[in-house]
Amino acid sequence: LAKTTQPISMDSYEGQEVNITCSHNNIATNDYITWYQQFPSQGPRFIIQGYKTKVTNEVASLFIPADRKSSTLSLPRVSLSDTAVYYCLVGSISGGYNKLIFGAGTRLAVHP
Amino acid sequence: DSGVTQTPKHLITATGQRVTLRCSPRSGDLSVYWYQQSLDQGLQFLIQYYNGEERAKGNILERFSAQQFPDLHSELNLSSLELGDSALYFCASSVEGGRATDTQYFGPGTRLTVL
Repeated sequence: LAKTTQPISMDSYEGQEVNITCSHNNIATNDYITWYQQFPSQGPRFIIQGYKTKVTNEVASLFIPADRKSSTLSLPRVSLSDTAVYYCLVGSISGGYNKLIFGAGTRLAVHP
Repeated sequence: DSGVTQTPKHLITATGQRVTLRCSPRSGDLSVYWYQQSLDQGLQFLIQYYNGEERAKGNILERFSAQQFPDLHSELNLSSLELGDSALYFCASSVEGGRATDTQYFGPGTRLTVL
């Protein structure tokens, strides 16, 4: 299963753009990259998913370079409510079954 | 609201006891996953069911068991409870559960406290 590495924590201020980079050097050809957001005492929530190049939705953008060994989640103009843990996952199929491995995630703190 | 429901919301029990956590997936989802999250720790995948059958196993202890019923709701049974079992237990569901693109929708969790 592909292993991911992302910063343990980040700090930002309201209104700034935040970029969280995730490394996944041994990503497989069929793997997709997915980001989840988790607020304290709540279950994770799907943010965005991509395979290559750039994906954008109403919440975030995901940039994936051609070699796919890393990806960057971009949150435009963050607010205090974006304070959360962000998980990068590489969707791997093990034995034909989807076993998502959540790492430690990146704890983002947005300050006034 | 993800559409996944979990009961109870909170559970307090004593060591050595047995508890059952319940999860109802989103309408139409066939796959159910169980995760454990201890205080300030990441999510640990426990087990996955698809349409009533066990699909994948993670770090699930032998004292823990789960099943998915014909109506697709799932139950996680925790027995011989220890202090270290205190955690948030999340259930998630997805449409299928065998594709890299499957999105998991998480419930609000059950907070288990073992005294």
